[in-house]
Amino acid sequence: DADVTQTPRNRITKTGKRIMLECSQTKGHDRMYWYRQDPGLGLRLIYYSFDVKDINKGEISDGYSVSRQAQAKFSLSLESAIPNQTALYFCATRPNANTGELFFGEGSRLTVL
Amino acid sequence: AQSVTQPDIHITVSEGASLELRCNYSYGATPYLFWYVQSPGQGLQLLLKYFSGDTLVQGIKGFEAEFKRSQSSFNLRKPSVHWSDAAEYFCAVGAGNTGKLIFGQGTTLQVKP
Repeated sequence: DADVTQTPRNRITKTGKRIMLECSQTKGHDRMYWYRQDPGLGLRLIYYSFDVKDINKGEISDGYSVSRQAQAKFSLSLESAIPNQTALYFCATRPNANTGELFFGEGSRLTVL
Repeated sequence: AQSVTQPDIHITVSEGASLELRCNYSYGATPYLFWYVQSPGQGLQLLLKYFSGDTLVQGIKGFEAEFKRSQSSFNLRKPSVHWSDAAEYFCAVGAGNTGKLIFGQGTTLQVKP
């Protein structure tokens, strides 16, 4: 089983719908991240969390919200999806040391029509 | 502000030829630097990382990268490319105590037979 699991892997929805992307991890890491990938733009940080009570905005948090339900679970919500939120979304975890790398899930491809 | 630039959006090399992917960063302190690879439909896998010490870093799959502080660069190299190396490559810099990684735009590598 993957260490970082994202569900759903693919989702097509309509403008205005509420969407939740879920992430769970078995690595025991406290730090969790949500990134968005768009062609030619690389990965951009949406939100990150150091623990259940510590949630922080990234560079592109507008239109998104998150919930850290437990150390192992970090969900990303789009309250009212719009077409320019069509993208590939990645959840990642990181050990507490700043020198540690990110461990990524396999991604959730979201299409908003 | 921290930033990462990958000047080459797309590179094509012949199988067996050498490869160099460029990465330039902007960061005020000693950077933590990473190279990730993303195969089609997959998440990101760490190739190598630099924190301190020897400026020539060895990674998986025969890749290496050299940190050059004077040039603010962390270029990725491989002496002989294999067809399976075709993928998208991302350079990233660790941004201080937040644990965030800032990613470049990515370079897509195509390998000709």
